[in-house]
Amino acid sequence: DTAVSQTPKYLVTQMGNDKSIKCEQNLGHDTMYWYKQDSKKFLKIMFSYNNKELIINETVPNRFSPKSPDKAHLNLHINSLELGDSAVYFCASSLMRTGEQFFGPGTRLTVL
Amino acid sequence: TQLLEQSPQFLSIQEGENLTVYCNSSSVFSSLQWYRQEPGEGPVLLVTVVTGGEVKKLKRLTFQFGDARKDSSLHITAAQTGDTGLYLCAGADSGGSNYKLTFGKGTLLTVNP
Repeated sequence: DTAVSQTPKYLVTQMGNDKSIKCEQNLGHDTMYWYKQDSKKFLKIMFSYNNKELIINETVPNRFSPKSPDKAHLNLHINSLELGDSAVYFCASSLMRTGEQFFGPGTRLTVL
Repeated sequence: TQLLEQSPQFLSIQEGENLTVYCNSSSVFSSLQWYRQEPGEGPVLLVTVVTGGEVKKLKRLTFQFGDARKDSSLHITAAQTGDTGLYLCAGADSGGSNYKLTFGKGTLLTVNP
């Protein structure tokens, strides 16, 4: 069974489009995250939810909007995509008290 | 803002050699985690160190947390080709927010046969 899954694995789209990435975890964790990994492999936190409540909201353009319908799911919607949004986006989950994170396989977003 | 510096950034060695990767900061962390990431996959947690001076071993990998909880090292003995990957250290916020991690920029290790 996949612990943290993300869809889609690859996303190629034109500038200006709107797209969504979905994430699900079956580990029973209470906290979920979105990270962005750039071309130099730097992993940067974007958002985190604990039991559906936003707890981390780093300096991210408001074109990015996370949504957590329940504690097992965290989605990321991106409006008006720009070239600079091209990156690999990772979803992760953990127990809040340990912070030991389990990552999904990533979604490679390419904006043309 | 807490920053973690990893060195070296790139490391290419022959199978059987030993190596050490460093993770340094001027900030104190409540704990430090090490992850390995293989191409096309997400990072996988290797270990968490919590106590200053703590040493943990995972087969041929030895992890150490500095006494002041500001730095850490990863030593690999007799490297194998399967050790190839991006090694990331991540520090947990010292304010008690274990879930808020600051990642280093990683060390890309290549072990050649």
